[in-house]
Amino acid sequence: GAVVSQHPSRVICKSGTSVKIECRSLDFQATTMFWYRQFPKQSLMLMATSNEGSKATYEQGVEKDKFLINHASLTLSTLTVTSAHPEDSSFYICSASTGESANYGYTFGSGTRLTVV
Amino acid sequence: AQSVTQLDSQVPVFEEAPVELRCNYSSSVSVYLFWYVQYPNQGLQLLLKYLSGSTLVKGINGFEAEFNKSQTSFHLRKPSVHISDTAEYFCAVRGVNTGGFKTIFGAGTRLFVKA
Repeated sequence: GAVVSQHPSRVICKSGTSVKIECRSLDFQATTMFWYRQFPKQSLMLMATSNEGSKATYEQGVEKDKFLINHASLTLSTLTVTSAHPEDSSFYICSASTGESANYGYTFGSGTRLTVV
Repeated sequence: AQSVTQLDSQVPVFEEAPVELRCNYSSSVSVYLFWYVQYPNQGLQLLLKYLSGSTLVKGINGFEAEFNKSQTSFHLRKPSVHISDTAEYFCAVRGVNTGGFKTIFGAGTRLFVKA
C-alpha cells in the first residue's frame, strides 16, 4: 500500500534556530500534501495544504512566515519551522494524497516530535 | 465559528460488544465531516468521511458513521469490536469561513477493547 515517510522522527533544537521536516511519498505521486500539528492532549490541527508546484494554502490562524512549506516535487514536501521557540514544540504530522481523495488526505507519516530548548 | 466536541475522552468496551463514539459539531456554514484513527505508536489513518449524499457512511475496518444534520452529530459506530480496534479516534470538521478554510479536530476518544 501507499507509504509516506517522515523525517526526522525526533529533533531537538535551540531556540531561535530553524528546523526542516521532510515528508516523502515512497511509492506514489502525491499531488497534495497536508501538514498537521498534534498538541499534548492529542487534539490535531491542520496547518496547511500544499500542492506540487504552487504555494501552500494555510489554515486560519497559522503563520505563513513561521511555518514555511515547500512542495517542490510530486514526492516531497518540506515544513520549515523558522526561528523556533519553545511554544513551537509539538508533534508534526504530514499526509499525502492523490486522485479522488486529493482534498482530504489518506496516507499519513509517522510524525516528527520537535522539542525546542 | 466551528467547534467539535467528542463527548467521551475514554470508552472501555469488551471484545465483540458494539461501540459508539460520539461527535457533535457546531458550524454556521456547510461542513465536511471525518473520522480518523491513530493506533499506538503509529500515524493517523482516515476511517471515513462525509462530503455529501447518503448520510450513512461506511468506512474501513467495519466502522460506519451517520451524519445527522438536525442534531449536528456524526457518531461513529461498530457492531462488534476487536482487541485490535484499541486506538485513539478523532472526529474532524472542515468548513469554509471568511478568510479561508478551517479544519477542526476533536480532542479525541481513546477506545479500550478488553478481552
